[in-house]
Amino acid sequence: GQQLNQSPQSMFIQEGEDVSMNCTSSSIFNTWLWYKQEPGEGPVLLIALYKAGELTSNGRLTAQFGITRKDSFLNISASIPSDVGIYFCAGLGGAQKLVFGQGTRLTINP
Amino acid sequence: DSGVTQTPKHLITATGQRVTLRCSPRSGDLSVYWYQQSLDQGLQFLIQYYNGEERAKGNILERFSAQQFPDLHSELNLSSLELGDSALYFCASSVAGQAGNTIYFGEGSWLTVV
Repeated sequence: GQQLNQSPQSMFIQEGEDVSMNCTSSSIFNTWLWYKQEPGEGPVLLIALYKAGELTSNGRLTAQFGITRKDSFLNISASIPSDVGIYFCAGLGGAQKLVFGQGTRLTINP
Repeated sequence: DSGVTQTPKHLITATGQRVTLRCSPRSGDLSVYWYQQSLDQGLQFLIQYYNGEERAKGNILERFSAQQFPDLHSELNLSSLELGDSALYFCASSVAGQAGNTIYFGEGSWLTVV
């Protein structure tokens, strides 16, 4: 079945640093979604990408839908303590099945 | 607030018991998804319904079942519960079937099996 490879699995950075994470797949997706999840809460949608090559920003977050439709990246600029959490990529393919990456756990040292 | 409502938020039950988790999708959304997340694990897709019909099935155990009702709310039934079923169960909804689809998650139902 469809699988997403998300990397890195974890990141330990200093406050103020930029962050980059990505997802790749062997399958084509029609939509890429990036979520953030904090402990005990549901995933919160950060950015949605609908077209190959699309680059979208949401404040300090920027995400791109890869040209091949098989990958996506998420960048966070000038990280702050509240950016801590687990970031998930998700691809939406045929039959509207949403497939998640394994998540990137972000830890920030003040 | 995503607009997806899940109840109960917390549930503690004994092994062998049966529970029902309920989800109300966002207004206008026809598709409902159920996911399971164990401690420090990723989101495991269980099942998806679209307008009352099963659309896709993931790693859902035979002891689990779900349905979507005419008013589009959904229920996930978990039976013969085992300790390993303790997890966060998320419901998500989307319009589905349209371009520019986006999926929003509820806050989850914490299930603890003791």
